[in-house]
Amino acid sequence: NAGVTQTPKFQVLKTGQSMTLQCAQDMNHNSMYWYRQDPGMGLRLIYYSASEGTTDKGEVPNGYNVSRLNKREFSLRLESAAPSQTSVYFCASRESPAYEQYFGPGTRLTVT
Amino acid sequence: AQSVTQPDIHITVSEGASLELRCNYSYGATPYLFWYVQSPGQGLQLLLKYFSGDTLVQGIKGFEAEFKRSQSSFNLRKPSVHWSDAAEYFCAVRTYGQNFVFGPGTRLSVLP
Repeated sequence: NAGVTQTPKFQVLKTGQSMTLQCAQDMNHNSMYWYRQDPGMGLRLIYYSASEGTTDKGEVPNGYNVSRLNKREFSLRLESAAPSQTSVYFCASRESPAYEQYFGPGTRLTVT
Repeated sequence: AQSVTQPDIHITVSEGASLELRCNYSYGATPYLFWYVQSPGQGLQLLLKYFSGDTLVQGIKGFEAEFKRSQSSFNLRKPSVHWSDAAEYFCAVRTYGQNFVFGPGTRLSVLP
């Protein structure tokens, strides 16, 4: 099993450009998450999807949109990138009732 | 609001020495508690978790953690640190629903 995979691993954008970060999991998990990681701030939840067909905002949703394409895939879209969105983005999945999350390797995004 | 604090931003220990990483949380009820480890350039890997029962939990790589309700703490320990333990460590709390809160992280350096 590959677990949680993310593409791309690295990306550089110019301010105002758009892009979609892809995430897929092969563990048949119901819940999926997008986090951003910034130095000294730990991980902050952007959006999550408790099950296929549902999405909800987390702590820092502004400037992002998500799509739960199917049970396996959960994408994060930046419509108009800003330098403040420079960060490392992690996707995670979780299967109820077990509560731990499984994380992907991350996408390092730089917006200039 | 729920919060997780990790008072030590950076800790340096010698190989073979014991280790304790501190974690305090703010939440009214008994939370679900986790410790994750992140090696450079990697995603987060679960070390251990506490849901209920015995307050001393064992994890992978020789780590253990103790839940102390009276102190709202969940400190991570290891009796003898190995050079490969150098990484960043995150404490996390699941409070309700999909609400996971991560601490800011503690970076561990290991001296030979």
